[in-house]
This record gives sequence, C-alpha cells and structure tokens, in this order.
Amino acid sequence: QAGLTQPPSVSKGLRQTATLTCTGNSNNVGNQGAAWLQQHQGHPPKLLSYRNNNRPSGISERLSASRSGNTASLTITGLQPEDEADYYCSAWDTSLSAVVFGGGTKLTVL
Amino acid sequence: QVQLVESGGGVVQPGGSLSLSCAASGFTFSSYGMHWVRQAPGKGLAWVAFTRYDGVNKYYADSVKGRFTISRDNSKNTLYLQMNSLRAEDTAMYYCAKDFESSWAAFDIWGQGTMVTVSS
Repeated sequence: QAGLTQPPSVSKGLRQTATLTCTGNSNNVGNQGAAWLQQHQGHPPKLLSYRNNNRPSGISERLSASRSGNTASLTITGLQPEDEADYYCSAWDTSLSAVVFGGGTKLTVL
Repeated sequence: QVQLVESGGGVVQPGGSLSLSCAASGFTFSSYGMHWVRQAPGKGLAWVAFTRYDGVNKYYADSVKGRFTISRDNSKNTLYLQMNSLRAEDTAMYYCAKDFESSWAAFDIWGQGTMVTVSS
C-alpha cells in the first residue's frame, strides 16, 4: 500500500518555527485530512492533531495543523529541546480501505 | 486511568503462529474502534489492522491480509491479533491503539507495545 510522503529530516534552531509536510492524494489526505503523531525514542507515539487542527487535550498550542489540497502541514512555533522527535502523519485511504502512514520526519532542534 | 496493555509477544519461527492481546481500561472500550500498529526495529510506523467498535467491520494492511485476524471481546475489554504464517518481515513492536473520535486514522491512546521476533 502506497504511503504518504514526508521529508526524512528537518533541522531548525531553538525558538524558531518548523513546518513539517505530508503529501498524499485525493483518496486520503485530500479527502479525509491527516493525523499527526510525535514519537520520542523508545516511547509509543502520541497524537498531536487530526483533521482541521483538532487536538486532544493537553497538546501545546505551539502546534497547529492545516491542509491545502493533498498536503497536510504541522507547524511548531517557538521550538524547544523536547520537540526533537520523529513525526508521523496518517490518513484513512478510501480507495484502499486502509490506514496509510508517512515514512516519518526526524525533527532536530539545534 | 486510561490504559492499554499488550501481551503475547515473543520469539517464533518462520511459518509459526502467535496471538497478541490488548487489555483496555479507563474508558468505554465497546464504544471505540481499535487498531494494531507495528514498528520494525529502527523503522517507521506501519498500520496492521482496524476493527470498528462492534467488531463487525475489519480492515487489514495488504501485507498481513489472509494471515492475521483482528478481533475483540467487548465483555472482556480486550482486543486480539491472531498472527499465522509469520515471516521475518513481521518482526516488530506491536502496539494496540484506540481510535480517536471515529476518525479511523488517528490514534489517541497507545499501549507500550509487545515485541514479536520471527527468527529461526
């Protein structure tokens, strides 16, 4: 099953803004929107947002999600050391009747 | 508190079988869809299977279709994954995850995972 496309790595400085992207097609991101997950080494993932910036309780307001066409984006402002992690996007694919994941982006905070 | 606890992982030979369980607590298990997601060592996340809240509709990744079966027992608040004809490429940490707001693709509660190693 074809997955979503994420850049393998992004590096930004402390207190800067990082924007992570996730590109799919009209059957997944373009149709259903995307979810964003954060994973620190050795820990299970944590849900950050789903669809139109719908965030579970407790998620920092420094994180915001958006979508334009078939591309979803996660913007993290005021980068902190604890933001350094792997970030994954996921979406339901209506053509495949399956969840598709992106390959993940490793965010490095310099 | 809200919790998912996986069990049943281990080492199995290629072609063998293994059954995973995921015990849920702290939320109304019977009201939510549930997923299995795996992660091979050093690799990204890969979705395995999903069952709706009532266990009627089930969906699988192509890589496991016909070999794995997802099921649930709402009376026991437990999710299962029966894995048959295991291959080396099935080696991974297996997580159960709760579906978020009927999204079918977002997961708001995760277990700590159970490791499955397929090796001779």
